Amino acid sequence: SQTIHQWPATLVQPVGSPLSLECTVEGTSNPNLYWYRQAAGRGLQLLFYSVGIGQISSEVPQNLSASRPQDRQFILSSKKLLLSDSGFYLCAWALPNEQFFGPGTRLTVL
Amino acid sequence: AQSVAQPEDQVNVAEGNPLTVKCTYSVSGNPYLFWYVQYPNRGLQFLLKYITGDNLVKGSYGFEAEFNKSQTSFHLKKPSALVSDSALYFCAVRDMGQAGTALIFGKGTTLSVSS
Repeated sequence: SQTIHQWPATLVQPVGSPLSLECTVEGTSNPNLYWYRQAAGRGLQLLFYSVGIGQISSEVPQNLSASRPQDRQFILSSKKLLLSDSGFYLCAWALPNEQFFGPGTRLTVL
Repeated sequence: AQSVAQPEDQVNVAEGNPLTVKCTYSVSGNPYLFWYVQYPNRGLQFLLKYITGDNLVKGSYGFEAEFNKSQTSFHLKKPSALVSDSALYFCAVRDMGQAGTALIFGKGTTLSVSS
């Protein structure tokens, strides 16, 4: 069966520090992968998606970036965090008619 | 553009009573609709989906949803609420644009079931 991992589970970082969140998927190959952010009271916002290694599409302009160095690995990064980057970050992979979500990372930028 | 609206930020019901969490959608073609549930500090769990077929869709944990094309709605329902149903519920529609299978989510509705 397929499993999706995210780490760390929680993270507190100062403004201006770098960020790296990792997502890995097991039990499937060549999945479509997604990064969402959930801000308080705002639902989920699609940040990036990837249909293959090295292929990244950005949905919204921001100071975050994503990379896919391996088939089942998806990384969310930032060189300098902003206060507004605080939120709950969810990684997901998709079948044609369903998405499966990881446990999420709670990021607090102080 | 496709969108999903959840008009209620919070729904309060007593245990044992029926519950409804509302969702309306706007799409240009045939909608693919989903409901997810999120418990505190957890990822989203899939409840049910409507792709085609019977308008009444049954899902996990006793939940069901009714697709109403004329009202462009996909309300989530349960005949008898449990305290353990208290969580954040998201309605979503599949984005048929560039993101392929990406989902567009509503803002979420917090369900609170009191004992």
